[in-house]
Amino acid sequence: GQQVMQIPQYQHVQEGEDFTTYCNSSTTLSNIQWYKQRPGGHPVFLIQLVKSGEVKKQKRLTFQFGEAKKNSSLHITATQTTDVGTYFCAGFNFGNEKLTFGTGTRLTIIP
Amino acid sequence: SAVISQKPSRDICQRGTSLTIQCQVDSQVTMMFWYRQQPGQSLTLIATANQGSEATYESGFVIDKFPISRPNLTFSTLTVSNMSPEDSSIYLCSAGLPSRGYTFGSGTRLTVV
Repeated sequence: GQQVMQIPQYQHVQEGEDFTTYCNSSTTLSNIQWYKQRPGGHPVFLIQLVKSGEVKKQKRLTFQFGEAKKNSSLHITATQTTDVGTYFCAGFNFGNEKLTFGTGTRLTIIP
Repeated sequence: SAVISQKPSRDICQRGTSLTIQCQVDSQVTMMFWYRQQPGQSLTLIATANQGSEATYESGFVIDKFPISRPNLTFSTLTVSNMSPEDSSIYLCSAGLPSRGYTFGSGTRLTVV
């Protein structure tokens, strides 16, 4: 079945440094979604990318969808303590109407 | 986006018993989803619940163990039956649209002793 992998699994950064997580799907996706889960919380939807090569920005967060629609990345500029949490990509396929979550990247910030 | 109320938020249960988790959505949704998340791990889809039809279960999950009800377009329940310690996990419901992203309930932290 479809698999979605993320690297790195963990990332510790000094506050103010940049952070990037990469997401790779074993199959071509209809869209890719990104979620953030704070410690002890539930996943919260951040954004969806649909088009090949699409780039979207939300303040300090930049999301990219690969040309082949099989990979994606999330880049955070100048991290803040509020960015702490686990970031999940999730690949969606209209063919089977399933959302498959990636393995996640846990971000911790060193003040 | 939809708001989902999930309860209970946590429970400690004896092995061999069953627990029913409820999710109420503040708007009508076609599909609802049930996930399991082990601490520190990703989300695994248990089943998809459509109103008026039987739920569709993912590989490794069966209806006898995880019966699901979907009596209307705003409500669903998941029952964890005949529990064992291996069922200790966080259970989450979700709803939304593939074009707009999905909203999650706050989760149920289940501990089986």
